[in-house]
Amino acid sequence: QQQVKQSPQSLIVQKGGISIINCAYENTAFDYFPWYQQFPGKGPALLIAIRPDVSEKKEGRFTISFNKSAKQFSLHIMDSQPGDSATYFCAASISGNQFYFGTGTSLTVIP
Amino acid sequence: GAGVSQSPRYKVAKRGQDVALRCDPISGHVSLFWYQQALGQGPEFLTYFQNEAQLDKSGLPSDRFFAERPEGSVSTLKIQRTQQEDSAVYLCASSPEDSNQPQHFGDGTRLSIL
Repeated sequence: QQQVKQSPQSLIVQKGGISIINCAYENTAFDYFPWYQQFPGKGPALLIAIRPDVSEKKEGRFTISFNKSAKQFSLHIMDSQPGDSATYFCAASISGNQFYFGTGTSLTVIP
Repeated sequence: GAGVSQSPRYKVAKRGQDVALRCDPISGHVSLFWYQQALGQGPEFLTYFQNEAQLDKSGLPSDRFFAERPEGSVSTLKIQRTQQEDSAVYLCASSPEDSNQPQHFGDGTRLSIL
């Protein structure tokens, strides 16, 4: 059973556009929600993370929106650039002891 | 280097052979995690150490998988009698302590079982 459901599977965005990736979860015990960026042949790298006591967190061009009642969270990439082309994973954990990852979104930003 | 180091980067083995994958975490990091990432999928949790103690091994798929971290730093993931379904990228991550500290991932070991 997939603990974290991620969509879309793939996404194509024009340079300068907004990329939006969505995730949903069921387990209300999750208390930490990170997003990772992964390039081919590399390990995932932490982009931004949020805890359920806030509804939004912004770091540069990356924003997480969190809806606790709907058990959903999303990543917004503003002013998307070709260098943002990568696979993005959402994840959720309980006290950092075990992380459950989504299935990934392959983002392509076309010039 | 300052990051998580994994070796070898690539490993090819024949079905039935034993393999050992090594992870050097960031110096001083207390927590260490192993994940399995199948092609086109997200990482799946295998096991977790806090220092030398293996606190959670619920993700290990069978008793052929064994992990250790005897001195609380370097960790080894061993797979005995490998099967074709073991082919995947094995990722190691470390963090300063638990309680949701960011995980730093290595670049993984790509294991191919022939």
